[in-house]
Amino acid sequence: KAGVTQTPRYLIKTRGQQVTLSCSPISGHRSVSWYQQTPGQGLQFLFEYFSETQRNKGNFPGRFSGRQFSNSRSEMNVSTLELGDSALYLCASRRGLEVTEAFFGQGTRLTVV
Amino acid sequence: ELKVEQNPLFLSMQEGKNYTIYCNYSTTSDRLYWYRQDPGKSLESLFVLLSNGAVKQEGRLMASLDTKARLSTLHITAAVHDLSATYFCAGDDTGTASKLTFGTGTRLQVTL
Repeated sequence: KAGVTQTPRYLIKTRGQQVTLSCSPISGHRSVSWYQQTPGQGLQFLFEYFSETQRNKGNFPGRFSGRQFSNSRSEMNVSTLELGDSALYLCASRRGLEVTEAFFGQGTRLTVV
Repeated sequence: ELKVEQNPLFLSMQEGKNYTIYCNYSTTSDRLYWYRQDPGKSLESLFVLLSNGAVKQEGRLMASLDTKARLSTLHITAAVHDLSATYFCAGDDTGTASKLTFGTGTRLQVTL
């Protein structure tokens, strides 16, 4: 069965621009969480969506936002990009609220220049 | 706020040797997760530990959870080169794996 799919895999943007990343969860999974991975800060939780509603949010500025569609696909948007936003962005999918295992996608490598 | 600490940060070990990675967490988190990450790749789920005293084994890796000590361990038996990767533990204070708090990771290098 297909895993978690993230697009694009690589992205280069300029400071001040905005970017949208996409995540398609495993078929049948309704929860999507987003994480940022950097060498300095490690893996940090951004937010989680379930049934098109944001349920949890990490400590990131309002420039980071997300949404989930009725087919469970999720997008995250970063506006006014800063150099420090360069990171690997990972999404994880879970079947439902009660399930305790999360499966990660390959990630999107964002470079801000 | 849940905090997760791993040690060591870096581990270089010879093939055939045994070693243990430690994961301490700060507050209530009765579930603990172990992931493996190869360079430039995503996170692969290794173990999900759901209760105190849980022990799981897969090949040369064995993970355990002691919720009273707030400690999980990942034991590597007779290491082989293929185990070289970064290993992360993660806690979860929501009980549902929806908001994982990760440790800093342990980079394991297995040499001949």
